[in-house]
Amino acid sequence: SAVISQKPSRDICQRGTSLTIQCQVDSQVTMMFWYRQQPGQSLTLIATANQGSEATYESGFVIDKFPISRPNLTFSTLTVSNMSPEDSSIYLCSVGARGQPQHFGDGTRLSIL
Amino acid sequence: GENVEQHPSTLSVQEGDSAVIKCTYSDSASNYFPWYKQELGKRPQLIIDIRSNVGEKKDQRIAVTLNKTAKHFSLHITETQPEDSAVYFCAASTNTGTASKLTFGTGTRLQVTL
Repeated sequence: SAVISQKPSRDICQRGTSLTIQCQVDSQVTMMFWYRQQPGQSLTLIATANQGSEATYESGFVIDKFPISRPNLTFSTLTVSNMSPEDSSIYLCSVGARGQPQHFGDGTRLSIL
Repeated sequence: GENVEQHPSTLSVQEGDSAVIKCTYSDSASNYFPWYKQELGKRPQLIIDIRSNVGEKKDQRIAVTLNKTAKHFSLHITETQPEDSAVYFCAASTNTGTASKLTFGTGTRLQVTL
């Protein structure tokens, strides 16, 4: 399966600031997704990152808060904007190629003070 | 949209016993059902998956069964070992193919005791 690198692995941020998380894959993949996993909880899909076009957001998530870029088939970024303590979570990217299962990166553990 | 329920939320078994985790889904169009294992501080890892055209799939000590009529699927782990201790998530996908967005269950924390 593809090797997925996610950066940073963790960060502690101040309230009101923004953080950009990067997801790099070692091969071209059809689909890239961003999930949030709040402490002790399940995974919730934030959005599907579409190559060359705007991301598709799930209910409850908006572009102004979670802008996403996907300039090519191997890279995507998720920005968490104007952070508050409620944004403290693990953010995971996942990738899937046609006919292949989804696989996850190691995640970014984000804490907001 | 799709809704996936998972039970139990916690499960404790003795080493060597079997463990069963059950999930139900709401959207009859769902056709792909993966299971992920997440150890503490680690990424979710795919352990087994099943498509809607198959009723059962087995991989060594792990098996998954699917009942499309009842819209439920189950994970079976036999001869459990301490390294099976983790949180297990079921998921469902409503699109064709596997590279599609997943809706996850709430997770089951499995503890295998000696």
